[in-house]
Amino acid sequence: DAGVIQSPRHEVTEMGQEVTLRCKPISGHDYLFWYRQTMMRGLELLIYFNNNVPIDDSGMPEDRFSAKMPNASFSTLKIQPSEPRDSAVYFCASSFGGGPTDTQYFGPGTRLTVL
Amino acid sequence: DAKTTQPNSMESNEEEPVHLPCNHSTISGTDYIHWYRQLPSQGPEYVIHGLTSNVNNRMASLAIAEDRKSSTLILHRATLRDAAVYYCILRRGAQKLVFGQGTRLTINP
Repeated sequence: DAGVIQSPRHEVTEMGQEVTLRCKPISGHDYLFWYRQTMMRGLELLIYFNNNVPIDDSGMPEDRFSAKMPNASFSTLKIQPSEPRDSAVYFCASSFGGGPTDTQYFGPGTRLTVL
Repeated sequence: DAKTTQPNSMESNEEEPVHLPCNHSTISGTDYIHWYRQLPSQGPEYVIHGLTSNVNNRMASLAIAEDRKSSTLILHRATLRDAAVYYCILRRGAQKLVFGQGTRLTINP
């Protein structure tokens, strides 16, 4: 398996622009997670889906952020409009099953820089 | 989720064992202890998990104190590739992982 695939790997944009990050989970996994990592806040969960349905979006910082999962093999995280404080590495992860022993598999991340 | 406490950083030498400690004094009976690590410029990766008994896998061993208030991740023979940030995480039922600051492990050649 190719693992979790994220694109783009790097994104540089200007403040006010729309940014879309993409994720393809591991085939057969029914949970998908979006995390953000910054020096100040570390790794934090933004939102997660089960069977394409958002379950917990309490970590989404504000209305500028939105996430969708139109099917089992694709998810997007959109920021509109982007701001410099959104600069971070965004990770997507997927897992099979909903128990406390289930492993999450992370993608390589998208490094976002907002100028 | 219950809180874990780890040293900010540790250093060891290549081919020597490494013991990474984690304190979790408020752990509940149903909390699983998970370890993930994050190599430079990569996403986190699973290392090991356990509930009450010590656990071994191809990557590491997990030693859990009898009262479960602490645990130790053991790398039996560290290599340069093991240099990473190691996260100790407690999981009860929810799917989400709550990451702390972790321990940055440096391996000297």
